[in-house]
Amino acid sequence: KAGVTQTPRYLIKTRGQQVTLSCSPISGHRSVSWYQQTPGQGLQFLFEYFSETQRNKGNFPGRFSGRQFSNSRSEMNVSTLELGDSALYLCASSSLSGRSYEQYFGPGTRLTVT
Amino acid sequence: SQQGEEDPQALSIQEGENATMNCSYKTSINNLQWYRQNSGRGLVHLILIRSNEREKHSGRLRVTLDTSKKSSSLLITASRAADTASYFCATDPIQGAQKLVFGQGTRLTINP
Repeated sequence: KAGVTQTPRYLIKTRGQQVTLSCSPISGHRSVSWYQQTPGQGLQFLFEYFSETQRNKGNFPGRFSGRQFSNSRSEMNVSTLELGDSALYLCASSSLSGRSYEQYFGPGTRLTVT
Repeated sequence: SQQGEEDPQALSIQEGENATMNCSYKTSINNLQWYRQNSGRGLVHLILIRSNEREKHSGRLRVTLDTSKKSSSLLITASRAADTASYFCATDPIQGAQKLVFGQGTRLTINP
């Protein structure tokens, strides 16, 4: 099976802009989780979608949002970008709702905000 | 704050030696998972150990879990240069937010 894919792999944006990241899970997986990774804060959970419904949400401001489509592909959107949003954004898929099962991670999208 | 705390933060050993990394956590868990991350890339799942298990093996990996001490260890035997990576533990807390909580990781370097 093909692995988790994320697009784009690299992105440079300016403060105040918005950005949309995409994640395609492993075929048959219905759960997609998003994480933000920074050197200072480490890996932090953003949200999880399962069968097009947001199941869980981390402690991030409302500027961070996401959705999942009927084919399980997911997008996350960050509006009004801030310098602190610069990070590696990782998505992970699992066959069932994520936390008790192994998660398969994509390569990540490296977002740089200038 | 992070649920899992890895120790040490960085470890450098010679190829062929064994590497041991530790993870401590704060609250009761359903399971604990270990992941590997090569520089700036996605994470790779290594092993999952449930709260009622004490030890699991997978190839050169051995994981132990001590729920009374709220700690876990990951042992990599006969290390190879390709094992150079960051290793993270992730816990699934019984109570609280229903999400995996990752530690800060251990940076492992295998010297040839």
